[in-house]
Amino acid sequence: DIVMTQSPDSLAVSLGERATINCKSSQTLLYSSNNKNYLAWYQQKPGQRPKLLIYWASTRESGVPDRFSGIGSGTDFTLTISSLQAEDVAVYYCQQYYGTPYTFGRGTKLEIK
Amino acid sequence: EVQLVESGGGLVQPGGSLRLSCSASGFTFSSYSMQWLRQAPGKGLEWVSAISSTGTYINYADSARGRFTISRDNSGNTLYLQMSSLGPDDTAVYYCVRVGPYCDYWGQGTLVTVSS
Repeated sequence: DIVMTQSPDSLAVSLGERATINCKSSQTLLYSSNNKNYLAWYQQKPGQRPKLLIYWASTRESGVPDRFSGIGSGTDFTLTISSLQAEDVAVYYCQQYYGTPYTFGRGTKLEIK
Repeated sequence: EVQLVESGGGLVQPGGSLRLSCSASGFTFSSYSMQWLRQAPGKGLEWVSAISSTGTYINYADSARGRFTISRDNSGNTLYLQMSSLGPDDTAVYYCVRVGPYCDYWGQGTLVTVSS
């Protein structure tokens, strides 16, 4: 199984500041035939279902604010929120969809400092 | 508008069975692979099972294999998860998810509680 290691487990950032969440996979998520990284990021606000933010490691889902960005390739990935807003308080998960089982990171809880 | 509505959750005794359903609308159900994911109370997300658009290809997590059966009815736009031999570790909110191949739409979830 591909193990997804997220860090940190929790993060407190001041409003307007940058938040960075890292995700490392135990094997490459880059599929050579199409040069795509099979990595997605999700946001889950308290009491809500998860929501897709980023797919193919760096493609923002429609309607997601441009303060959210994803970068990385192979085994190392990062989700960045450029200027934290109050509504961004949530747990963030990375997930690989390269191969079954489609594993998730343990999640990063983002709070306001 | 894409909608996924799960049903069938509830309280079940250890060793019991339950069948979850997911009614899909707002998209061509028969064109998409679908998955079930779950989230235990206060815990992270766990992939449970996946089924291809035609039902030809099916995968299970180790925790589900041999106890859970995923299926779909493309004529009725419905996804199912038949669960048996349930134990306390199966207590979770179960989500029906459309796959594209990432999880682009999620249902609101249905709570399964396994307890005596």
